[in-house]
Amino acid sequence: EVQLQESGPGLVKPSQSLSLTCSVTGYSITSNYWGWIRKFPGNKMEWMGYISYSGSTSYNPSLKSRISITRDTSKNQFFLQLNSVTTEDTATYYCARIFWGPYWYFDFWGPGTMVTVSS
Amino acid sequence: DTVLTQSPALAVSPGERVTISCRASESVSTLMHWYQQKPGQQPTLLIYLASNLESGVPARFSGSGSGTDFTLTIDPVEADDTATYYCQQSWNDPWTFGGGTKLELK
Repeated sequence: EVQLQESGPGLVKPSQSLSLTCSVTGYSITSNYWGWIRKFPGNKMEWMGYISYSGSTSYNPSLKSRISITRDTSKNQFFLQLNSVTTEDTATYYCARIFWGPYWYFDFWGPGTMVTVSS
Repeated sequence: DTVLTQSPALAVSPGERVTISCRASESVSTLMHWYQQKPGQQPTLLIYLASNLESGVPARFSGSGSGTDFTLTIDPVEADDTATYYCQQSWNDPWTFGGGTKLELK
């Protein structure tokens, strides 16, 4: 079964970049689509973006100038970079597999990693 | 963006039937999906495309709706169903989530 695991720093200073890794086992990231979602304190959830099986990307317009999603197929990992973070980026970050057939939904999620933006 | 509105919280007794609603600010066809999130865990997929039960999910869960109004039903509710339930649409860009409905058992 596919499993996803997020990793990265739990604390980031304001104005710096947030970088997270999603390690995938049991399934190749050269198949399907793979996304990042975050959950803010207070429970609001936001889809951030995804990377496709071919490496193309799509981002939430609210983040488009600050976000980048990339991948390393040799390690079966994909990555999130969010630049110029503020305290409002404090959230739990999840990576997920996106079912694509041609309908889209998140069918497997990682356990999430909490990131706090604070000086 | 498509706004999805859910009631913030519900409290029911085990064995009862509960319906959780999700209203979209514009049509999302049937591209509405439901997730369950228990405290300290990641969300898990319950229902996709409005009414399709994800593999392994108990048949107590069902979904219905199209356009702008959707419902997740749990019948009968069990103690293990204590969780927050989110709807999510993938018809309009960007994909959006509802604010979540916290289900508590009396």
